[in-house]
Order: sequence, then C-alpha cells, then structure tokens
Amino acid sequence: QQQVKQSPQSLIVQKGGISIINCAYENTAFDYFPWYQQFPGKGPALLIAIRPDVSEKKEGRFTISFNKSAKQFSLHIMDSQPGDSATYFCAASIRGSTLGRLYFGRGTQLTVWP
Amino acid sequence: DAGITQSPRHKVTETGTPVTLRCHQTENHRYMYWYRQDPGHGLRLIHYSYGVKDTDKGEVSDGYSVSRSKTEDFLLTLESATSSQTSVYFCAISGEMNTEAFFGQGTRLTVV
Repeated sequence: QQQVKQSPQSLIVQKGGISIINCAYENTAFDYFPWYQQFPGKGPALLIAIRPDVSEKKEGRFTISFNKSAKQFSLHIMDSQPGDSATYFCAASIRGSTLGRLYFGRGTQLTVWP
Repeated sequence: DAGITQSPRHKVTETGTPVTLRCHQTENHRYMYWYRQDPGHGLRLIHYSYGVKDTDKGEVSDGYSVSRSKTEDFLLTLESATSSQTSVYFCAISGEMNTEAFFGQGTRLTVV
C-alpha cells in the first residue's frame, strides 16, 4: 500500500498567496521527511527536509510543519510566486537503513497565477 | 546537477527489444537508485545499489535488472521491453542511505 499519501493532487494559488501541501504516513519508524521540487523536464531537487525531533523548519519562504502524533507533515509556501509553479513531492524514509528507502507521495502540481 | 549524467536522454524502442540505461556519477557517492516516474504514481523505486556489485530490489523491480561494476556507473536493463515500461526514468545518488538524494535529468523511454 502507499506509504506516503499526499494531497491535493493539484493546487492553484494567486501570486502572493500561501500554498499548502499535506502529507500523511503510517510507518512510525520513518525519521526523515524531505520535500522535493520538480520543474518540467528536470529531475526532482531537494527543497527542504525535517526530522521528527522538531515541529517546524523554515527556509526562506518555505516551511515544513510536522505533527508526529498525527503522523502528518505539510509544506507551506508563503508569498507564492509564479516561479514556484512546479510539482512538489513529499517523501519519508528511515535514515541509514539498508532495508528502508525513500517513499514518495504522488506529487502536487502547483500553479501560481501572476 | 550534482555530477550525475544519464544516457540516453530520450529513447524510442520496440516491444521485445533489450534496453540499457546508464547513470554515471562523479561524486563518489556510495548509494545509487533507479526510479520511474509515471503520472499519478509519483516516483517509484525500481532497484538500488549500496556499493559495487551490491544491489537490491525496489517496489517495481519486475522486468528490470541492474548492475554496478564501478562506483560511478549504475546500469538499468530492460531485458525485453514492454509498453508498460514506457516512462521517465531517474537515477539518483546519495552519500548516506535514504537521506539527501540528488537526481539526474531523467531518461524518457517510449516502448512502441
């Protein structure tokens, strides 16, 4: 079954607005939660990541919020810009485990209107 | 792009033919991965490698094999391509298992 569930599948936001993408997981052994950004024709690139010992991590306009008890984490993009239009993937893994792997959500296609 | 080169970038092949995709890295990273990306499915792991000649299956490994004879090269082979293997294939590398992974530009494979 799908290890990481991501929503929404697509998101349209006006320039300057807040974009919010949500992910949920089941495996409580996961201890690394990255977000990847992908532009058309390119490979995914790491945007920001969080470990479960903190509830929030901010880098510029991008913030990850993490709720360990609910097994949920989300990406917030403040002051969204047209250049943020891309597909975003959340993922989860068990760091350093040869039995583990990066499990990806199915992606959210974000469109920011100018 | 973190020193990852995938080749070819595009390929069209016929059903039943063998196909090999190559991933070459210049970062000397230990771990290498092959993913496929399909609409509605996100990125799914095909195979990964944790050292020279050390490989393991991912979640969608049927119909694929891999080899890693050198640290820098990770080959993905479709022994007999099928239309269901039409996809975009990404190679990724990481210095530590399952942490920051760097992706290549992708190979778009079409099986007709």
